[in-house]
Amino acid sequence: NAGVTQTPKFQVLKTGQSMTLQCAQDMNHEYMSWYRQDPGMGLRLIHYSVGAGITDQGEVPNGYNVSRSTTEDFPLRLLSAAPSQTSVYFCASRGATGNTIYFGEGSWLTVV
Amino acid sequence: DAKTTQPPSMDCAEGRAANLPCNHSTISGNEYVYWYRQIHSQGPQYIIHGLKNNETNEMASLIITEDRKSSTLILPHATLRDTAVYYCIVRLPPQRDSSYKLIFGSGTRLLVRP
Repeated sequence: NAGVTQTPKFQVLKTGQSMTLQCAQDMNHEYMSWYRQDPGMGLRLIHYSVGAGITDQGEVPNGYNVSRSTTEDFPLRLLSAAPSQTSVYFCASRGATGNTIYFGEGSWLTVV
Repeated sequence: DAKTTQPPSMDCAEGRAANLPCNHSTISGNEYVYWYRQIHSQGPQYIIHGLKNNETNEMASLIITEDRKSSTLILPHATLRDTAVYYCIVRLPPQRDSSYKLIFGSGTRLLVRP
């Protein structure tokens, strides 16, 4: 059981480039979300989804797009990367009524 | 969601109990207390949660005061692997709030000394 899988684990981008962080879960969870964590700080919610075809904004959505075409996948897109988006990104999921949120191992993104 | 207050850092000796406090004086009647921890910048790991009764699982115990304005996470026999940042989070249960928001504060950095 792989749980929540994120790729890539490390990425360096130039300012203005675009990229997609991939997230997949194999637990048939309805709820998925993306957080970012800056040095010395707690996680902040970027976007979340309560099911396939449904997404909504979190605390810090600007500069990021998401889609949820399947239950398993929830990719995070950076359309035009900025140095302020240098951070560690975590994907998470949980079942409809589950209290436990499962996090991926993180994706380290540096924008130069 | 209610705001929580935690000490920025604590330490304890290996094998001893680690008691991590959390203040959530503005908690509402329907909100639960959740604890997560994050080891070495890995993804956060769920530890335990509770509403008003004390809770215990294989990882920890959660003691919630009668007025629910504060709680304590207890690691009964701390090991070096318990060194991590511990987050206390207050929110509605998923059945009441599907927005999925976990509001992470700065947490408590626990150092377990050999």
